[in-house]
Amino acid sequence: NAGVTQTPKFQVLKTGQSMTLQCAQDMNHNSMYWYRQDPGMGLRLIYYSASEGTTDKGEVPNGYNVSRLNKREFSLRLESAAPSQTSVYFCAGGLAVQYFGAGTRLSVL
Amino acid sequence: QQQVKQSPQSLIVQKGGISIINCAYENTAFDYFPWYQQFPGKGPALLIAIRPDVSEKKEGRFTISFNKSAKQFSLHIMDSQPGDSATYFCAASKGLNNNDMRFGAGTRLTVKP
Repeated sequence: NAGVTQTPKFQVLKTGQSMTLQCAQDMNHNSMYWYRQDPGMGLRLIYYSASEGTTDKGEVPNGYNVSRLNKREFSLRLESAAPSQTSVYFCAGGLAVQYFGAGTRLSVL
Repeated sequence: QQQVKQSPQSLIVQKGGISIINCAYENTAFDYFPWYQQFPGKGPALLIAIRPDVSEKKEGRFTISFNKSAKQFSLHIMDSQPGDSATYFCAASKGLNNNDMRFGAGTRLTVKP
């Protein structure tokens, strides 16, 4: 029982490159989330999905897209990475209690 | 602008001491207030949570105090231990079934032996 699994753990991109962060959960949660964590800013919600087939913008959605592929998987895509997107990204599942993955540390040069 | 303001940014406490972290919010629609604990290299994990119908909730050495009129809540860690050294986040949402949770900026706690 892995909980929430994120891949990759680390990634370095050049400005303008694209990439997809993957997230999978085995906890049967309807709701899944993508957050970014920056020093002094805490966790900020990028997008969430309340159920399979639905997605909604959070606090900081600009520059990102998401796909809720099925109940287990929720991916985050950066179409044209910018240095401002250098951050640690967390995926989570759950509702009143959110269960977080271990994070993806992304650097955009 | 953060909807949940957390202080202090960092805190150093001696082993056995009391650690206190404070949070304040403006949106009176918030009615669920969890605290998350994060160790280096890990994702946050729920520590304890409170709803506004009670003024205090205690779980072991961890206590949340809630002041609805002041729109403030705080985490108290009694008998702080080096193993409590972590980053703590307060959060708020509009109900248990609301997906849009807002987090504070975090407090980095160091407990010195």
